[in-house]
Amino acid sequence: GAVVSQHPSRVICKSGTSVKIECRSLDFQATTMFWYRQFPKQSLMLMATSNEGSKATYEQGVEKDKFLINHASLTLSTLTVTSAHPEDSSFYICSARAQDRRADTQYFGPGTRLTVL
Amino acid sequence: AQSVTQLGSHVSVSEGALVLLRCNYSSSVPPYLFWYVQYPNQGLQLLLKYTTGATLVKGINGFEAEFKKSETSFHLTKPSAHMSDAAEYFCAVSALSSGGSYIPTFGRGTSLIVHP
Repeated sequence: GAVVSQHPSRVICKSGTSVKIECRSLDFQATTMFWYRQFPKQSLMLMATSNEGSKATYEQGVEKDKFLINHASLTLSTLTVTSAHPEDSSFYICSARAQDRRADTQYFGPGTRLTVL
Repeated sequence: AQSVTQLGSHVSVSEGALVLLRCNYSSSVPPYLFWYVQYPNQGLQLLLKYTTGATLVKGINGFEAEFKKSETSFHLTKPSAHMSDAAEYFCAVSALSSGGSYIPTFGRGTSLIVHP
């Protein structure tokens, strides 16, 4: 149990376009979802925390107008990278906290590799 | 505030040898500590975690870690390395935020290389 999926797994887009990444909890309800960004050979940096039905909380330095997060249901959160540029190329990972599990437990998705040309 | 330091960006061992990955943490409140493994182009998989109770924690794939409060450490060990253990390992510390969420802070990661 506790599976989190991401779609797409890999996306290549042109500079200036917008890209949407989906994060789904497949077999549990996620009250909270987290979005991370990982640069090559580096650690995960938390971008934002989203709670179902409310606005996401962004970490300092993360542009909320550029990285739009929607958590419309208990099983789906989306991250939209608007007007993407090459510096947005990265590995984006989501995680979800289950409604009925320990608050300290997060389940991670497999990640989405974004390449902006 | 909390932080994690993983000593050594790369650790290289021979197959069958002891694995030791070091992690030191800093936290202003009693921490929850985690070790995650990441295989190439994949997300993170939880190996083990310490919350309260017994300080020696056993995880999946034969890994274990010991919480040492006096040393603020949570080193990860495995008695005998296997080729399939080659991956990136992340230590993380987490504490309850004012918003009621446990937000982990990750270390920079240690790449484990296993030689035949």
